[in-house]
Amino acid sequence: SYELTQPPSVSVSPGQTASITCSGDKLGEKYVSWYQQKTGQAPALVIYLNNKRPSGIPERFSGSNSGNTATLTISGTQAMDEADYYCQAWDSSSVVFGGGTKLTVI
Amino acid sequence: QVQLQESGPGLVKPSETLSLTCTVSGGSISSSTYYWGWIRQPPGKGLEWIGSMYYSGSTYYNASLKSRVTISIDTSKNQFSLRLNSVTAADTAEYYCARHDNRGSISGPNWFDPWGQGTQVTVSS
Repeated sequence: SYELTQPPSVSVSPGQTASITCSGDKLGEKYVSWYQQKTGQAPALVIYLNNKRPSGIPERFSGSNSGNTATLTISGTQAMDEADYYCQAWDSSSVVFGGGTKLTVI
Repeated sequence: QVQLQESGPGLVKPSETLSLTCTVSGGSISSSTYYWGWIRQPPGKGLEWIGSMYYSGSTYYNASLKSRVTISIDTSKNQFSLRLNSVTAADTAEYYCARHDNRGSISGPNWFDPWGQGTQVTVSS
């Protein structure tokens, strides 16, 4: 079955750029979505179709997808961005989630 | 805007059937644009997709759960439901329902948005 691999944790200083990767075989040929989950809350969509931002998502969130790696980039990271982030793709009639990355803003 | 709300028992005994319902408000479950999905999250762990269903009956299931899962839709009530039978402690999780968007790709539905707030289900005797 298809797998998506994320780093368990990423740390970033306030105001700096955070990059969270998601790797999978020929992932660049699929569409990737990203979700933010804050403690005690349901996940929320932050990026879809690789690089589209839903209404209400700040411009500092961006996405890219090429080759075997998709990347969620948060520019000018704020303390409120501290959360778990999950990538997701569709493969062979099935939804696949990455294992999640805990973003710490320190 | 569309909102989703899960409901159902918070405690289920081992070997019994877990049943949850998701009520959709602010939009029609019969829209051609969307599937309707279930996702779960065991305590302290990541997200696991359970399955997604189109209003006409087309359904996709997680292969690892397929033998135990049934998703159904009641268009008259604007609701969709999850049944998971023969549950064990491993099925203890927060269960979320979400709208599964079918746009942008011919291969299948893509992103989930919005999500319900989630409901905790514990499997214990």
